[in-house]
Amino acid sequence: KAGVTQTPRYLIKTRGQQVTLSCSPISGHRSVSWYQQTPGQGLQFLFEYFSETQRNKGNFPGRFSGRQFSNSRSEMNVSTLELGDSALYLCASTPGPPAGFNSYEQYFGPGTRLTVT
Amino acid sequence: TQLLEQSPQFLSIQEGENLTVYCNSSSVFSSLQWYRQEPGEGPVLLVTVVTGGEVKKLKRLTFQFGDARKDSSLHITAAQPGDTGLYLCAGQAYSGAGSYQLTFGKGTKLSVIP
Repeated sequence: KAGVTQTPRYLIKTRGQQVTLSCSPISGHRSVSWYQQTPGQGLQFLFEYFSETQRNKGNFPGRFSGRQFSNSRSEMNVSTLELGDSALYLCASTPGPPAGFNSYEQYFGPGTRLTVT
Repeated sequence: TQLLEQSPQFLSIQEGENLTVYCNSSSVFSSLQWYRQEPGEGPVLLVTVVTGGEVKKLKRLTFQFGDARKDSSLHITAAQPGDTGLYLCAGQAYSGAGSYQLTFGKGTKLSVIP
């Protein structure tokens, strides 16, 4: 099975711009989660989508949004970029729905490195 | 808000030494997962522990879940340079509406020197 893919891998944007990141989960996985990883804060949960619906949301401002398509592919969008948004954005897929504890084992993509200047 | 604290933050050891990484919380978790992340890549799942007191072994790595399901440890025997990486623990807890959420620790950055 192909793993989780994320595009683009690297991105440089200017303050005030917006950005869209894409994630294709492992085939058959229906849940997609997004995380922000920075050296200071570590891995922080952004949101989770399951069957095109946002099921969970972390403590991030409304500038961060996402969506999931019928084929389980997901996108996240960040509007009005700030310097502090520079981070590695990771997407992870899980089999879902909960059929046991292993249903929430995350399979991560390689991430998108976003630099805001 | 559930927090997971990992210690130590950084660890640099010689090849062949043993080490233990700790993951502690005041919250109870349904399960706890350990991941390893290498530079330029996403985290890769190593193990999931579910039952209080559970011990799992993966070659030279031994994982233990605390009796109260609030803490966990990772012990590596005879570390090798290939063990170098960022080790992350993640606690799984019910977040309502039939869904669970993972909370990650900030990680332990391990360097094994040949």
